[in-house]
Amino acid sequence: SYELTQPPSVSVSPGQTARITCSGDALPKKYAYWYQQKSGQAPVQVIYEDTKRPSEIPERFSGSSSGTMATLTISGAQVEDEADYYCYSTDSSGSQSVFGAGTKVTVL
Amino acid sequence: EVQLVESGGGLVQPGGSLRLSCAASGFTFNTFWMSWVRQAPGKGLEWVANIKPDGSGKNYVDSVKGRFTLSRDNAKNSLSLQMNNLRVEDTAVYYCTRGDVWGQGTTVTVSS
Repeated sequence: SYELTQPPSVSVSPGQTARITCSGDALPKKYAYWYQQKSGQAPVQVIYEDTKRPSEIPERFSGSSSGTMATLTISGAQVEDEADYYCYSTDSSGSQSVFGAGTKVTVL
Repeated sequence: EVQLVESGGGLVQPGGSLRLSCAASGFTFNTFWMSWVRQAPGKGLEWVANIKPDGSGKNYVDSVKGRFTLSRDNAKNSLSLQMNNLRVEDTAVYYCTRGDVWGQGTTVTVSS
């Protein structure tokens, strides 16, 4: 079955840049999406179609993709950005969707 | 306001059945793929199934194939997930989502 690989955790100081990677064999052909989930809450989409940011998401969130790796960047991370972040995509056939295992971002 | 509201969760014994529902409002439901995503206690997100806007195509994660059936009623702006032969490992919060919009989830507990 198709898998997306993320680091389990990333730690940064407030104001620093956090980068979360997501690797998958089909990412050269399929879009990556990124979700933020805070404790006890439903996920929130922060990036869609590799690089696009919903209007309500702060500009410090950005996405990129190159080859088999997609990256979520939080530029100038804030304490309120502490959360679990999940990448999401599909296999090459488009029939199986999958989430990465999630990355816990700590800002302190 | 775009909204998704799930219902139908509860406590069920292994081997039992539940039917989850998702009521959609505030958008043109019949133009969107819809999905169910679940999250077991303390675990990450897991995609469960999705369905095409007209209901003609459905996909499932391997672990639920043959047990879960996804359907939609575009006239009623609703999505349903029929879950049969439930297992302990199906215990999770189940979210209805169109990708950019998520419901608050409904909890399914499978336990004897």
